[in-house]
Amino acid sequence: AQSVTQLGSHVSVSEGALVLLRCNYSSSVPPYLFWYVQYPNQGLQLLLKYTSAATLVKGINGFEAEFKKSETSFHLTKPSAHMSDAAEYFCAGMNYGGATNKLIFGTGTLLAVQP
Amino acid sequence: EAGVTQFPSHSVIEKGQTVTLRCDPISGHDNLYWYRRVMGKEIKFLLHFVKESKQDESGMPNNRFLAERTGGTYSTLKVQPAELEDSGVYFCASSQEGRSLSGNTIYFGEGSWLTVV
Repeated sequence: AQSVTQLGSHVSVSEGALVLLRCNYSSSVPPYLFWYVQYPNQGLQLLLKYTSAATLVKGINGFEAEFKKSETSFHLTKPSAHMSDAAEYFCAGMNYGGATNKLIFGTGTLLAVQP
Repeated sequence: EAGVTQFPSHSVIEKGQTVTLRCDPISGHDNLYWYRRVMGKEIKFLLHFVKESKQDESGMPNNRFLAERTGGTYSTLKVQPAELEDSGVYFCASSQEGRSLSGNTIYFGEGSWLTVV
């Protein structure tokens, strides 16, 4: 992906509510797309990745994301938020086949979960 | 199995001083990456090692930054002299050999938080 845009730097949801974190990409070739999560005082952890197989990708902790080429989107969802989901989420893309597999990150979305 | 480890976790230095960040990748991982996140900005690629060779250093900001990976194991990133705008979080990441994405997840460390005052 040549660029990745995350809409909303801060998202707040109630516990049990739907989580929707938005990510759009721009790319001249089919990209590989990823969602990473950073919990407080921890490193980046891979949630899920899209590598041109199934368009609906399931990840860890109940998260999933759907690749929609027509909308150039890769939004992250979870049906029911838990308090433990509070973290910062990063969408990232990569153009496989270049000299290096470098990730292009969005600016991140901080998810707050209210009791 | 240990993950990617970085040292120090936090560092506060004065402008003009030197700081060296260290990264130990997951054992057996040939690919090692450095990324940086300046406050409020996105995480940006700095460079990529394959074993001890620099594969891509297109993201290095300027010649005050020097990365090495002696023997293809751990890596260091030195900033000399440090400037205020170098403050941020420096992430190291590693993955197995090859460029296939189907099995080669990129694993990140916890980051080294650098503050230049």
